[in-house]
Amino acid sequence: NAGVMQNPRHLVRRRGQEARLRCSPMKGHSHVYWYRQLPEEGLKFMVYLQKENIIDESGMPKERFSAEFPKEGPSILRIQQVVRGDSAAYFCASSPSGIGGYTFGSGTRLTVV
Amino acid sequence: DQQVKQNSPSLSVQEGRISILNCDYTNSMFDYFLWYKKYPAEGPTFLISISSIKDKNEDGRFTVFLNKSAKHLSLHIVPSQPGDSAVYFCAASKQNYGGSQGNLIFGKGTKLSVKP
Repeated sequence: NAGVMQNPRHLVRRRGQEARLRCSPMKGHSHVYWYRQLPEEGLKFMVYLQKENIIDESGMPKERFSAEFPKEGPSILRIQQVVRGDSAAYFCASSPSGIGGYTFGSGTRLTVV
Repeated sequence: DQQVKQNSPSLSVQEGRISILNCDYTNSMFDYFLWYKKYPAEGPTFLISISSIKDKNEDGRFTVFLNKSAKHLSLHIVPSQPGDSAVYFCAASKQNYGGSQGNLIFGKGTKLSVKP
């Protein structure tokens, strides 16, 4: 029973490029959450999705960031026209019901050069 | 404005002794609290949680205490082991979405070092 799978583990992008981060939740989990961790900081909530629906995107920057969780396939966090300040660890978590502790993936470390 | 605060960035404890990690929160609407452990280059791992209707929850070596009037919770690890060395995050949430936690508000973490 694989855990939450995130890929890539490390991603390097030049300023202005697009970054696509993928998250496959645990089997049977239909709730997905994305968090961002800046250096020396705690995790900050970005977005909460269920299949094909965005439930809460109150933590998402208004521009350049988008997320989806299609009926088939992984959840995608997309960052357009990346800037140096986007450099961070991005964690995805999933849960079967939205209640109780999440299961986190190992994260994608995005570096913008 | 930080709603969940972990005021000690680090804590060092001798193996076999008790580790006490503290967490304060400001939002009285929080009603569910969790602790996560994180090793470098890995995602956080859920440890233990507590609902606001309780003041204590125990799971093996880990016990979480909640003091609602003080808006304070603590994680006790007894006995501490070198493998417990990690960063510990406190998190809080409100019951939204018809009972689901929705998003969690995390503290900045406390780095625990357990020395042999």
